[in-house]
Amino acid sequence: DVKVTQSSRYLVKRTGEKVFLECVQDMDHENMFWYRQDPGLGLRLIYFSYDVKMKEKGDIPEGYSVSREKKERFSLILESASTNQTSMYLCASSTGGSYNEQFFGPGTRLTVL
Amino acid sequence: QKEVEQNSGPLSVPEGAIASLNCTYSDRVSQSFFWYRQYSGKSPELIMSIYSNGDKEDGRFTAQLNKASQYVSLLIRDSQPSDSATYLCAVNDPGNTPLVFGKGTRLSVIA
Repeated sequence: DVKVTQSSRYLVKRTGEKVFLECVQDMDHENMFWYRQDPGLGLRLIYFSYDVKMKEKGDIPEGYSVSREKKERFSLILESASTNQTSMYLCASSTGGSYNEQFFGPGTRLTVL
Repeated sequence: QKEVEQNSGPLSVPEGAIASLNCTYSDRVSQSFFWYRQYSGKSPELIMSIYSNGDKEDGRFTAQLNKASQYVSLLIRDSQPSDSATYLCAVNDPGNTPLVFGKGTRLSVIA
């Protein structure tokens, strides 16, 4: 089975702190994604990556950066956390290609105080 | 702007009935279609993929695709209270592009 893991299930940070969210997949997938999910707004794509050291902006990249130094690992960074970044953060990876099945990690519920 | 539309619900069905969830998409060239189930507080779980017109069955789940009408649906037979969740429809274009997700339909199965 595909496994996508995220470093924390719950995280509480203070405004202005630098926050790292880590994601690891074990299926040798090329593609990895970071989303946030808020009530009524659905899934919103923050950043994605099609290869090591490559990154692409999604729909809402402001206030975030990412790093992909290894194929299996994709990190989301909040340089200076703000209260409006309180959300559920979901990492995913996919096979790419014609079928492009995408699998999600368990999510990190981040609260910024 | 590519769009995937779903009725937000809640869709309420009695236990044992067939639940029918619908999804329309705007981009005619879309080629892969997915249904995810998401329980409250959990992450989305892939339950069905469909790539060609017609029906695809997996246990109590049937996905139906009609590319001419740009319509994909999910039928859940013999609905159980454990099927109560939000169901997300997702669509993929040719090439290596991110999936486009609908906002989901909340299903409630009443015992």
